[in-house]
Amino acid sequence: GENVEQHPSTLSVQEGDSAVIKCTYSDSASNYFPWYKQELGKRPQLIIDIRSNVGEKKDQRIAVTLNKTAKHFSLHITETQPEDSAVYFCAASRVTGGGNKLTFGTGTQLKVEL
Amino acid sequence: NAGVTQTPKFRILKIGQSMTLQCAQDMNHNYMYWYRQDPGMGLKLIYYSVGAGITDKGEVPNGYNVSRSTTEDFPLRLELAAPSQTSVYFCASSSTGLSEKLFFGSGTQLSVL
Repeated sequence: GENVEQHPSTLSVQEGDSAVIKCTYSDSASNYFPWYKQELGKRPQLIIDIRSNVGEKKDQRIAVTLNKTAKHFSLHITETQPEDSAVYFCAASRVTGGGNKLTFGTGTQLKVEL
Repeated sequence: NAGVTQTPKFRILKIGQSMTLQCAQDMNHNYMYWYRQDPGMGLKLIYYSVGAGITDKGEVPNGYNVSRSTTEDFPLRLELAAPSQTSVYFCASSSTGLSEKLFFGSGTQLSVL
């Protein structure tokens, strides 16, 4: 089955700096790569996703890049703000029409310091 | 729309007890999932369903059972609770079509003592 590794496990940045979180996946058939943000005590919420036919996607201060050859994908957050502090999870799945069975990474605790 | 609703929010069980975690969605989604979240371990798929009457195992199904008698409801049954089942449980749903986004419920914090 799919295996997703995520690094780093914790990340501390100064407000206004950029943050980068990296993930690798093992199944070359995976074609969908979302990122979820989970605030303390809350449910995970999708912040951005990318499909295997796209190399990069951006949404305001958030961007995701995908390198299919290396089986790497990364989340980039620019101009970080205190409200970006949360746990971020990457995930991967092979979407075939039978649902979306995501395999999650172990999470990155991002702390944005004032 | 309420989205995905989970009950209860918190529960303490004794070893060997059984319980059912309830999950309901009002978005007419075909696909539903149960995940468990252990500290520092991400979310792991327990069971999923692609429609009423159809369920299948995920990565960590042992000790759990599910049923899907309607499109809306997807309860998770714990039989003979064990301390290893102490976790936060999230139910989620998604639709067919262009978006694969999972909509999560608010979670159930379960402790087995």
